[in-house]
Amino acid sequence: GAGVSQSPRYKVTKRGQDVALRCDPISGHVSLYWYRQALGQGPEFLTYFNYEAQQDKSGLPNDRFSAERPEGSISTLTIQRTEQRDSAMYRCASSLPGQPNEQFFGPGTRLTVL
Amino acid sequence: LAKTTQPISMDSYEGQEVNITCSHNNIATNDYITWYQQFPSQGPRFIIQGYKTKVTNEVASLFIPADRKSSTLSLPRVSLSDTAVYYCLVGDAYGNKLVFGAGTILRVKS
Repeated sequence: GAGVSQSPRYKVTKRGQDVALRCDPISGHVSLYWYRQALGQGPEFLTYFNYEAQQDKSGLPNDRFSAERPEGSISTLTIQRTEQRDSAMYRCASSLPGQPNEQFFGPGTRLTVL
Repeated sequence: LAKTTQPISMDSYEGQEVNITCSHNNIATNDYITWYQQFPSQGPRFIIQGYKTKVTNEVASLFIPADRKSSTLSLPRVSLSDTAVYYCLVGDAYGNKLVFGAGTILRVKS
């Protein structure tokens, strides 16, 4: 079946602009996660949802970052007033209920803030 | 969350068995050990998970000694396509926050 999909795959924006990154999880996966990955490092947790409820947002760097999953399926990660330090690969993952350690990752969105 | 330590990089040749060891001295009773693989330009991919002793699947084996303070991922007869970064993670079965370290870069040569 289809895996986790993310869009856009690449996003170039100017400093100060808002961006919205989209994640479409695997059908039937109630848990959805957002990570950020810098070059040469492992993914860094940002936030996660069970269904539409945001369970943990402790990894969001500051209040410019927010995420939602209003219908328990597609999720959007929004970064307001982007800064150059926000440039990174943003990855989404999903998992089946009860299997949080086996997450399926999407291809990521490469964000570049000029 | 237990901290993990693994080698920064390893080199191997095609056809060899590769063993990557991860240290997790402060692993908790409820923690599981999970390994992920990441190819360049792709997201991490789950390989294997275990709690104690030995776990084997079609891709790899995971050896965990009785004290569980370390674990070894074993890849049989590697090929060039096994060149990737391998991450060792430790967390409980209900944890939803995968904590990745820098991983081990495995380079397989012909």
